[in-house]
Amino acid sequence: QKEVEQDPGPLSVPEGAIVSLNCTYSNSAFQYFMWYRQYSRKGPELLMYTYSSGNKEDGRFTAQVDKSSKYISLFIRDSQPSDSATYLCAMPPTGGGNKLTFGTGTQLKVEL
Amino acid sequence: AAGVIQSPRHLIKEKRETATLKCYPIPRHDTVYWYQQGPGQDPQFLISFYEKMQSDKGSIPDRFSAQQFSDYHSELNMSSLELGDSALYFCASSLRDSSYEQYFGPGTRLTVT
Repeated sequence: QKEVEQDPGPLSVPEGAIVSLNCTYSNSAFQYFMWYRQYSRKGPELLMYTYSSGNKEDGRFTAQVDKSSKYISLFIRDSQPSDSATYLCAMPPTGGGNKLTFGTGTQLKVEL
Repeated sequence: AAGVIQSPRHLIKEKRETATLKCYPIPRHDTVYWYQQGPGQDPQFLISFYEKMQSDKGSIPDRFSAQQFSDYHSELNMSSLELGDSALYFCASSLRDSSYEQYFGPGTRLTVT
């Protein structure tokens, strides 16, 4: 079992829909939680990161962390075709080190 | 805003050849990370550097080596290339102690034939 699990999708939604992307993790020591967006054959783009539990909002994106359930979510409001990409959650190590632990990514397609 | 620069963007090599990938971090970023991403996979951490010193090591083959220079740019050297080395190679950068805020470059697509 991977340390970070993510439904690979694909997830297909109509334009304007609210999208919910989720990850579960097993290491309760994780403190930071990151979301990346990756277009096909491009580098991952950091959307946002959160520290510990709670919500963080940035434009149409909201990240939510529930440490008690080891569950994180990324919500996209008013989804656009340009949001079609793979979304990866990632967590940096605790106690030193730099290796990011990624989820496998969820492929999202927003259709007109 | 300036981003991470990687060169070359595409590289085709034959088996047993060598390759050198370059990474120029975001200005003022002092930490560089290398990742390998195979088709349909998430990025796999290879190695990272802070202030020219290796700071962490992941699943990097012994055939690969990397270093960071005084201007903070980094090079990944790959020798005795194998077909399985074909992948996207990403460099990311951050400020020290900000591994939660890694910014990725556009990647180098390496094809080994």
